[in-house]
Amino acid sequence: GAVVSQHPSWVICKSGTSVKIECRSLDFQATTMFWYRQFPKQSLMLMATSNEGSKATYEQGVEKDKFLINHASLTLSTLTVTSAHPEDSSFYICSAYDRDRGSGANVLTFGAGSRLTVL
Amino acid sequence: AQSVTQLDSHVSVSEGTPVLLRCNYSSSYSPSLFWYVQHPNKGLQLLLKYTSAATLVKGINGFEAEFKKSETSFHLTKPSAHMSDAAEYFCVVGAGTYKYIFGTGTRLKVLA
Repeated sequence: GAVVSQHPSWVICKSGTSVKIECRSLDFQATTMFWYRQFPKQSLMLMATSNEGSKATYEQGVEKDKFLINHASLTLSTLTVTSAHPEDSSFYICSAYDRDRGSGANVLTFGAGSRLTVL
Repeated sequence: AQSVTQLDSHVSVSEGTPVLLRCNYSSSYSPSLFWYVQHPNKGLQLLLKYTSAATLVKGINGFEAEFKKSETSFHLTKPSAHMSDAAEYFCVVGAGTYKYIFGTGTRLKVLA
């Protein structure tokens, strides 16, 4: 089945530094990837849609200059949290759009998530 | 517009007893519906999906869900809970090719 790899799985950084999180589709090409943020014991909040070869589409309220998304290839999207602050600490999850050819359903495959802690 | 409501934020069951996690949806067209499970500090794993084929959908780990259009429901069930089923469960409705609407989640606790 489709596999999405996310790296790193956890990262601790100092306030003011930038952190990059990678999301890779290992066995399929993903023209579209999604980035979510999950606060403790809450549901997933879609941050942005990452489109290969073009600019990401951000959801309302998400700072595009704070959360830089780059989707330079069909298998890799990166999320960079710039000038991180403690309030950026969260669990970030990516997913890739993978058409399930068997049933015709559009199924999202999720990465294992990246826990960011900003000190 | 599409939306999804998970009726219970927490469910506790004893090991070996049935599990019922409730989900209601709203959709202006025939929906795609999914159940995902998330274990602590992990990503989401697809349990099962409904795509307008059979109304009773069987998933992994003994879970199944029944699509009931008249009740706009897609409840998740399992005949016998196992300790390893303790996790967060999300009901999801597809809202177009690139949009997925997540429910608020139901935390399942399995008591020994």
